[in-house]
Amino acid sequence: SAVISQKPSRDICQRGTSLTIQCQVDSQVTMMFWYRQQPGQSLTLIATANQGSEATYESGFVIDKFPISRPNLTFSTLTVSNMSPEDSSIYLCSATVGTSMNTEAFFGQGTRLTVV
Amino acid sequence: GENVEQHPSTLSVQEGDSAVIKCTYSDSASNYFPWYKQELGKRPQLIIDIRSNVGEKKDQRIAVTLNKTAKHFSLHITETQPEDSAVYFCAAIPDSNYQLIWGAGTKLIIKP
Repeated sequence: SAVISQKPSRDICQRGTSLTIQCQVDSQVTMMFWYRQQPGQSLTLIATANQGSEATYESGFVIDKFPISRPNLTFSTLTVSNMSPEDSSIYLCSATVGTSMNTEAFFGQGTRLTVV
Repeated sequence: GENVEQHPSTLSVQEGDSAVIKCTYSDSASNYFPWYKQELGKRPQLIIDIRSNVGEKKDQRIAVTLNKTAKHFSLHITETQPEDSAVYFCAAIPDSNYQLIWGAGTKLIIKP
């Protein structure tokens, strides 16, 4: 099992600024991910955070807008850069533990971002 | 790559009745299928899972069935209660990696 601490839990930001979200896991995990989610809606994968190398981004997401770091196995950050109101959403950090036959995903409590 | 489709997007049932949520997947190599529940304002949490060598698994009021030939799996909730109201996500894991491929989610509403 894994416990994920994510902060901040919420923020209200001015357009054009940047926000960095931090994710700390209490144990070593297989993979770490960043998602975006509108309340009650689907989980949209932004990128896979790779330890010590550049993140792997999904279609529609780019490094300049969402730079991600993962300096070690248990910590990752996501920055939302040059924010606009369209970036208002819930951002979730996730980590997986296990093998392909038994992988459990754990989630941080989410960061509710409002851009004004 | 793997693709997971989930239906319905919204399901409303009377308290005490049963609810069924269905998912299909495209990659026949996928071998692990978890279900997650996300209550309002909270993070998703694993509620039940099934592996490809099993056809059905039960845990009290919830059960999951898997049909590998048809490439679909379903979540069954019996005797639904108000606390079952949530968004439910299915997922699949392709054999090649540990990344979960998520369904779009089903909002389950339990009517009193």
